[in-house]
Amino acid sequence: DAGVIQSPRHEVTEMGQEVTLRCKPISGHNSLFWYRQTMMRGLELLIYFNNNVPIDDSGMPEDRFSAKMPNASFSTLKIQPSEPRDSAVYFCASTKTGGAGANVLTFGAGSRLTVL
Amino acid sequence: QQQVKQSPQSLIVQKGGISIINCAYENTAFDYFPWYQQFPGKGPALLIAIRPDVSEKKEGRFTISFNKSAKQFSLHIMDSQPGDSATYFCAASKGDDKIIFGKGTRLHILP
Repeated sequence: DAGVIQSPRHEVTEMGQEVTLRCKPISGHNSLFWYRQTMMRGLELLIYFNNNVPIDDSGMPEDRFSAKMPNASFSTLKIQPSEPRDSAVYFCASTKTGGAGANVLTFGAGSRLTVL
Repeated sequence: QQQVKQSPQSLIVQKGGISIINCAYENTAFDYFPWYQQFPGKGPALLIAIRPDVSEKKEGRFTISFNKSAKQFSLHIMDSQPGDSATYFCAASKGDDKIIFGKGTRLHILP
């Protein structure tokens, strides 16, 4: 398996522009998580899906952020309009839940976003 | 509300020394406590994990010590090597619920 695949790896944009980050989870995993990493706040959970349904979006900072999971193999995180304080590394992670055993998250390599 | 508090924020250890990172949690319902390791430019990856029914788990040079009554757990890296230099995150979860991460510890091992 290729692991969790994120794109783009790097994105530089100007304030006010729309940003779309993409994630392909591991085949067979039924839960998907979006995290944001900054020096100040560490790893923050933004939203997570189970079986393509958003379960908890309490970490989404504000209405400028939205996430979708139209099917089991694809998710997007959109920021519109983007602001300089959104600059961070955004990680997507997936796992298989609903059975015995612990939730072992597999992370993608991340998307580094810079908003000028 | 930060449910998992991690310290120190950064740590420098001599090669061959012991690295110790501490975490404290608040929710007594947590039943799974993993540690993740992250190298620069990569996503975090599971390193070692423990459940509260044991007080210690060892895998090679890495050991988790767990104190249920104090609601604390720690990661010990024995014989620390330069290749261990990374950011380490403790975490906690309950059942299939979301995993809550600490803020991370940047570990640097001096050669």
